[in-house]
Amino acid sequence: GQNIDQPTEMTATEGAIVQINCTYQTSGFNGLFWYQQHAGEAPTFLSYNVLDGLEEKGRFSSFLSRSKGYSYLLLKELQMKDSASYLCAVRDWDTDKLIFGTGTRLQVFP
Amino acid sequence: DAGVIQSPRHEVTEMGQEVTLRCKPISGHDYLFWYRQTMMRGLELLIYFNNNVPIDDSGMPEDRFSAKMPNASFSTLKIQPSEPRDSAVYFCASKQASGPYGYTFGSGTRLTVV
Repeated sequence: GQNIDQPTEMTATEGAIVQINCTYQTSGFNGLFWYQQHAGEAPTFLSYNVLDGLEEKGRFSSFLSRSKGYSYLLLKELQMKDSASYLCAVRDWDTDKLIFGTGTRLQVFP
Repeated sequence: DAGVIQSPRHEVTEMGQEVTLRCKPISGHDYLFWYRQTMMRGLELLIYFNNNVPIDDSGMPEDRFSAKMPNASFSTLKIQPSEPRDSAVYFCASKQASGPYGYTFGSGTRLTVV
């Protein structure tokens, strides 16, 4: 089975940098995803890591360490519109299922 | 591309009634997933299909829940009879067989059972 942990809530200031951590335990790993979900909307894809290291995409970066079962999402130059929930999800190697953590609700203040 | 289309967007029903949620995946996507989201439990995978065939329904909470995919462009999730604890947002997602980027979610159905 899989177990995914991430903080429930975080706050940050506009223009700052925030790091959202995710730890996971899985029997079969085939990639880690980060999704963004605004209130009342569907999750939307942000990033994907399958190899160790940092993937950068504009203001957002995602890091993976498979040996530690650890990932983080880094958001730079925070904007008010970044206030949302950020979901960490692990794909199972055998079944291709995408299993989600409970999400981190980020509030950005002026 | 219209994306994954779900209907209805909102459903309010009385306990004991049958509820049917509908999903149209993105054309060409081989996989279809049904998720349920609540504040307490987050996004839970209920069932998924590959090429219209149910592969894993271990997440379906009870026999009251059933899902079908009669063809590549349509799937239903049915709850009969519905109970107040079934109140949640139900999402459908689809993906292509190849590549990691294809998990696209629909807008969801917010179900309230009173």
